[in-house]
Amino acid sequence: EAQVTQNPRYLITVTGKKLTVTCSQNMNHEYMSWYRQDPGLGLRQIYYSMNVEVTDKGDVPEGYKVSRKEKRNFPLILESPSPNQTSLYFCASRLVRGTEAFFGQGTRLTVV
Amino acid sequence: GQQVMQIPQYQHVQEGEDFTTYCNSSTTLSNIQWYKQRPGGHPVFLIQLVKSGEVKKQKRLTFQFGEAKKNSSLHITATQTTDVGTYFCAPRDNYGQNFVFGPGTRLSVLP
Repeated sequence: EAQVTQNPRYLITVTGKKLTVTCSQNMNHEYMSWYRQDPGLGLRQIYYSMNVEVTDKGDVPEGYKVSRKEKRNFPLILESPSPNQTSLYFCASRLVRGTEAFFGQGTRLTVV
Repeated sequence: GQQVMQIPQYQHVQEGEDFTTYCNSSTTLSNIQWYKQRPGGHPVFLIQLVKSGEVKKQKRLTFQFGEAKKNSSLHITATQTTDVGTYFCAPRDNYGQNFVFGPGTRLSVLP
């Protein structure tokens, strides 16, 4: 089954404790991205990657890192999480940039 | 940068009534996508519009792209409880590289 898989689905952590949210797609898509969703703000892009070893900042990249060492995986790293990063995070993949996005199930992160 | 507005923010309708959400951009768009997110779920792609004045239908859903390519609408005829969710437009302007998601319209359907 074609899908985007995120883990974990739920995470509660403390300020400053490094964490990684994994994202994997099995559709051989070139383009992957991370979004955060906050009430009233829609989905805002954090980082995106057009292909392996190619990543770029989205609209709200501060406090986040990403890597794209393999085509299928695109982890989101929070080196030192802060409470304002409490949010619902979605990973998405597209065949290429201008095509439809396939979203993962989401990761609800709470930073206390 | 590109500013995307969606109106209304919330809409409550009785089952069987029609529903329309509008998406407006501050810049001319190259194309626009629409997504639906069910409560507790993830966004799911509905459609992409590319041409000026384009109208596309999916059963009870009608999508329209404005003639000037600065706005779009989604109309649902005779809503059903399965239509509940948040509808996002995601336009891409002529200068930007990525799709920018609007804030969404949350639809509630009362049985």
